[in-house]
Amino acid sequence: KAGVTQTPRYLIKTRGQQVTLSCSPISGHRSVSWYQQTPGQGLQFLFEYFSETQRNKGNFPGRFSGRQFSNSRSEMNVSTLELGDSALYLCASSLRPSGGSTPYEQYFGPGTRLTVT
Amino acid sequence: QKEVEQDPGPLSVPEGAIVSLNCTYSNSAFQYFMWYRQYSRKGPELLMYTYSSGNKEDGRFTAQVDKSSKYISLFIRDSQPSDSATYLCAMSGAVTSGSRLTFGEGTQLTVNP
Repeated sequence: KAGVTQTPRYLIKTRGQQVTLSCSPISGHRSVSWYQQTPGQGLQFLFEYFSETQRNKGNFPGRFSGRQFSNSRSEMNVSTLELGDSALYLCASSLRPSGGSTPYEQYFGPGTRLTVT
Repeated sequence: QKEVEQDPGPLSVPEGAIVSLNCTYSNSAFQYFMWYRQYSRKGPELLMYTYSSGNKEDGRFTAQVDKSSKYISLFIRDSQPSDSATYLCAMSGAVTSGSRLTFGEGTQLTVNP
């Protein structure tokens, strides 16, 4: 079974530009979450989509947005890039848990490393 | 103050040692407690999870959760050089509230041959 794939793997952008990152979840997984990982802040939750609906949103400015398509693939967009947006952006997918003692077991992709200059 | 606190290390141990990794948290709503392992330039990989308080063992790994103290631990027995990675604790609330994970900063572990 193929894992979570993210494209592109590396990206260099200039301040003020916008960027779109893509995530293809594991087949059958309908929940997709995005995280930002930086050396100073660690892994921080951006947002979660389930069946094309945003279910949760983290504490990030409105420049960060996302969407999910009917095939569960997801994209996130960052507009008006700032130097501080340089980070590893991780996507995770999961199945809906079957029982009370089972969490959403999230499987992460390799990430997209975004550098803003 | 962060919801989840984890000593970033680095932690360096000899091969065969028992490793103890810990996190504390402040949010009483957390119900699920996970440990992820992340190798350099890779995404995090789920090692194991525990629901509520208690212990769980999987091979050389044992996870412990003490909700009364808001303290979780991961023990690695007979550590191997291949265990060298960053270990992240993560927590989530009820599944009805979605899959959102709150992570600790991660502890960088090196196991020396």
